[in-house]
Amino acid sequence: QVQLVQSGAEVKKPGASVKVSCKVSGYTLTELSMHWVRQAPGKGLEWMGRFDPEDGETIYAQKCQGRVTMTEDTSTDTAYMDLSSLRSEDTAVYYCATDPGSGYFDYWGQGTLVTVSS
Amino acid sequence: QSALTQPASVSGSPGQSITISCTGTSSDVGSYNLVSWYQQHPGKAPKLMIYEGSKRPSGVSNRFSGSKSGNTASLTISGLQAEDEADYYCCSYAGSRTLVFGGGTKLTVL
Repeated sequence: QVQLVQSGAEVKKPGASVKVSCKVSGYTLTELSMHWVRQAPGKGLEWMGRFDPEDGETIYAQKCQGRVTMTEDTSTDTAYMDLSSLRSEDTAVYYCATDPGSGYFDYWGQGTLVTVSS
Repeated sequence: QSALTQPASVSGSPGQSITISCTGTSSDVGSYNLVSWYQQHPGKAPKLMIYEGSKRPSGVSNRFSGSKSGNTASLTISGLQAEDEADYYCCSYAGSRTLVFGGGTKLTVL
């Protein structure tokens, strides 16, 4: 049974950066493909990108490309999502979620609320 | 990467069946049998209900079923129950290791 525990809520000013962590237990990070999904208040789910453990590549959605970086620390089984140049429209709950290899999410973190406000 | 199209809302009475559609293109839904469906209650993380178009994870009621025809995938919930009231999202593989979600559908059990 995989468990994903994310870091706590953040409040950031426009232009700043935020780094959200996702600690894996029950499996090692190298066995999983980790994705990040966000949800703005009252809005739908938005896929942000993924880390592919098979070749170490990260693939990002076009919307955040250039501002988002997804990394992993296999020594601590922790995945990270770093979003820079924050804007008010980046205010959202950010989720990490695992993909067993067929493009679906079987385990989700509890979500991390990131609020961007001056 | 345009979002898949879902109806904003659907409703049904307890015991009835409802179907939620998810329309994409020949580049996503139409090209791959890799559509998944998620249930989300307010304030909670999404929960996987259907994967690879029509497969149910262990523990998900057989009242939930998935199908696909052309560029449109569908989620059917039979024997509606009060606890089914939630938001539902479809998601499809879109090639080049990318994924795309639908806009979401609010299900109301009358």
